[in-house]
Amino acid sequence: DAGVIQSPRHEVTEMGQEVTLRCKPISGHNSLFWYRQTMMRGLELLIYFNNNVPIDDSGMPEDRFSAKMPNASFSTLKIQPSEPRDSAVYFCASSSSIGELRTQYFGPGTRLLVL
Amino acid sequence: AQSVTQLDSQVPVFEEAPVELRCNYSSSVSVYLFWYVQYPNQGLQLLLKYLSGSTLVKGINGFEAEFNKSQTSFHLRKPSVHISDTAEYFCAVITGFQKLVFGTGTRLLVSP
Repeated sequence: DAGVIQSPRHEVTEMGQEVTLRCKPISGHNSLFWYRQTMMRGLELLIYFNNNVPIDDSGMPEDRFSAKMPNASFSTLKIQPSEPRDSAVYFCASSSSIGELRTQYFGPGTRLLVL
Repeated sequence: AQSVTQLDSQVPVFEEAPVELRCNYSSSVSVYLFWYVQYPNQGLQLLLKYLSGSTLVKGINGFEAEFNKSQTSFHLRKPSVHISDTAEYFCAVITGFQKLVFGTGTRLLVSP
C-alpha cells in the first residue's frame, strides 16, 4: 500500500511568494495532520482534520497560513505571503478512527526554504 | 496537559552494545505512547506503540519499550545496535482526541 504522499519534496522560494504544499493521506484514513519541524521548536502540530473538517487549528502560526481538505484524499497547506522564518520541514500524517486507532503515519515531508 | 520529556539529547554508543533511550510522560488520564524514528532527511517512521495491554511492547528493527505507570516512563531499548540505527528517536503521547505531542528527540549515534 502507498503511504502518505507529499509534494513537492523540496521547495525554494523568495520571501513574499505564495507556497502550496500538498498531501494525499493513506486510503481509508479519515484523520489528517499537518506538522512543522524546525531546529528551534522541534515538531509542532499545525492543524488536523477529521472527516475533512478542521478540528483544531490552534497551532497555525498566523493568518498567513491556511489549510484545506476538499475531499478525503487531498489536503493543502498554503503560506501567503511566505517569510524566511517559515523555512522548515512540513510533514503530513494520517490516521484512522477504526482499526489502528490513534496511530499516525507520516509522509516524507516537504523541505521548504524561503529566501 | 500531557507531555513527554526525553532526558538525553544525544546518546553515543558502540556497535553491538545495548542502548536505552529514556522517555518520561506526564498525564492525569489514560496514556497512549509512541516511539518514532527519523533517519536523516526522511520522515518519521513508527517504531512501536503502547495503547493498552501488555506493558512490554515490541517494535520493528529489534526495538522494544516498557510502559511503567509507577515511574511514568516509556523507555526504548535494543540489546545490540547496528550502525544503521543511527537516527533521531522521538517519544510522543496522544493528548485529547488525537493530538500527538512529541518530545525533543534523542539522537542515537552508533560508531564502529
